[in-house]
Amino acid sequence: RKEVEQDPGPFNVPEGATVAFNCTYSNSASQSFFWYRQDCRKEPKLLMSVYSSGNEDGRFTAQLNRASQYISLLIRDSKLSDSATYLCVVNLGGWAGGTSYGKLTFGQGTILTVHP
Amino acid sequence: ETGVTQTPRHLVMGMTNKKSLKCEQHLGHNAMYWYKQSAKKPLELMFVYSLEERVENNSVPSRFSPECPNSSHLFLHLHTLQPEDSALYLCASSQYPSDIQYFGAGTRLSVL
Repeated sequence: RKEVEQDPGPFNVPEGATVAFNCTYSNSASQSFFWYRQDCRKEPKLLMSVYSSGNEDGRFTAQLNRASQYISLLIRDSKLSDSATYLCVVNLGGWAGGTSYGKLTFGQGTILTVHP
Repeated sequence: ETGVTQTPRHLVMGMTNKKSLKCEQHLGHNAMYWYKQSAKKPLELMFVYSLEERVENNSVPSRFSPECPNSSHLFLHLHTLQPEDSALYLCASSQYPSDIQYFGAGTRLSVL
């Protein structure tokens, strides 16, 4: 079983559509969760952190269900500029020398294309 | 600009060459990371340095040798690479207690 599993898509949606991405993770000890966005041949950029209570940032809503080990991302009113690969990221976390650091595991990404 | 700079952006090398990738972060972070992104595969964590000490080595072959001379700089020394090592190599940094990592633009490596 993959540590972080996403539907690879691709998702092709018209402008204005609502689209939802799902992700599952296998390690119940995972500590924090993120969605990153990666444009073609560019570096990943943080879209948003994901909290159990659910969090919203404009048109983007993320949700975490720890019991089901499931993470979601909802994009409302899609824009052409939302076209990208969306990466589900899980942090197992590490601790050394009195400080923590990240141990991120990435999903393979979900490709979104928004068309006019 | 994320504050993490990687050089070179592109590199072509033969299997017998020795080269180094450089990463510099201007964010005052205390942890730095190397990742590999191959075609059609998820990003894979390679190495983690925390407070300039290597704390994670994710079963990376010895032909990849990291070095962290200070908290702002991270190198990845390459020697005797294989064609399957061709990939995008990404550097990232973070600062305790935040879990958020900021990525550089990457070095696209081709091994001939």
